[in-house]
Parts: sequence; structure tokens; C-alpha cells
Amino acid sequence: KQEVTQIPAALSVPEGENLVLNCSFTDSAIYNLQWFRQDPGKGLTSLLLIQSSQREQTSGRLNASLDKSSGRSTLYIAASQPGDSATYLCAVRGAGANSKLTFGKGITLSVRP
Amino acid sequence: DTAVSQTPKYLVTQMGNDKSIKCEQNLGHDTMYWYKQDSKKFLKIMFSYNNKELIINETVPNRFSPKSPDKAHLNLHINSLELGDSAVYFCASSQLGQAGGYTFGSGTRLTVV
Repeated sequence: KQEVTQIPAALSVPEGENLVLNCSFTDSAIYNLQWFRQDPGKGLTSLLLIQSSQREQTSGRLNASLDKSSGRSTLYIAASQPGDSATYLCAVRGAGANSKLTFGKGITLSVRP
Repeated sequence: DTAVSQTPKYLVTQMGNDKSIKCEQNLGHDTMYWYKQDSKKFLKIMFSYNNKELIINETVPNRFSPKSPDKAHLNLHINSLELGDSAVYFCASSQLGQAGGYTFGSGTRLTVV
């Protein structure tokens, strides 16, 4: 059974810092890994999707890496801004016929002005 | 052009009532999902349908009955609502068996009083 862990559960940083959010998963048989952002009371916005054959993906100030063999992914946020404050969710899609997306519990990020 | 749309956005109802949540996707995906986000914000899969066929049914009370009239629609009917059913329910879609990402709806906040 796939388990996804995100530690710490919450993080508070001053504006301008570069930061890394970590995600680990127990079963390396995955199709891909997806990072989402969730603002309070809102839905999920997909940030980055990394295929199992890829090492990283970049979008603007965001960079996500994947080390499938060790079951780890990181989301790097450069020059953080107060608008980046949200919950960041890591989710892995298992490989196989009836694969599903399994989520971590998320990291709630607060960027202080 | 909303990719995955859910209705209603908010639902407040009394214990014992029966209610339905509707979901539609216009992405051409062949698989749709229901996820539940509990009070601790943890997202967990409930059901998955591929081309109108149920393929994932996690441990969910049988008061919850999904129905998929076609591959673009997945509805969730809940009988005899209980206080513990209060949560945010998210619909999502993807293409099964391929390394594509999931797209989520904006969620339905269900409050049982």
C-alpha cells in the first residue's frame, strides 16, 4: 500500500527565502508524481507533474525533482512571496491497471512579509 | 471553460437526509474519481470509474453510491447523512493507464447538522 509523507506539516519563512518542501513515498512503482497547491477553502491547483522517467520539472519560480528509486521528491520555491502562502500537496500515481493518486497530508506554508 | 465542474459548491443539510453531488468533465478523460477531504485536510480516494465501470471502491459506507451515466459524468449520492459525513468532496478526472495528471474540481463543502 502506497504511503506518502510530507514533513513538516507547517512551515513559516520570511519573504525572499528560497525553500524546499519534501515528499517521500513508500512504493517506487509509480507513473508520475504531482504537486498541488490548495488555498484555504479552495480547490486543488496542479503546479507540476513529473513522469516516472523524469528527474525534474520547472515552472517559473518552482522546480520539482523526483528520485524514484529512493522514493523522494522535492519542491523548490525560489524567492518566496507572501502570495505563495498555501498548502502544498504531494501526490503519487501508482503504476498498474487501476492506478490511483495517493496524497500526502500537505505542508502549510506561510510566507511573512 | 471549466475542465471539471461540481455542483453544488456548498451543501448544508440535516442528519438523515439524502443528497447528491454532481460532477462533469470536458477534458475527454476516461476515468473519474471522488475524493474526500476530512477536517484535517487529508485527501483520500473513495471511488473511481473508468468508462462508466466502477474500478476502485475504497472502504466507504454503502450509504455512498456513485453513478456514472457516461464517461463525462460522475455523481455521488449519499443516503441517511450523518454528522461524520461533513467534509469537502472533490471530483477529479484523468486518463487511465497513461502517465497523465489528475485535474480536480473546486470541491463541494458538505455540512451535516
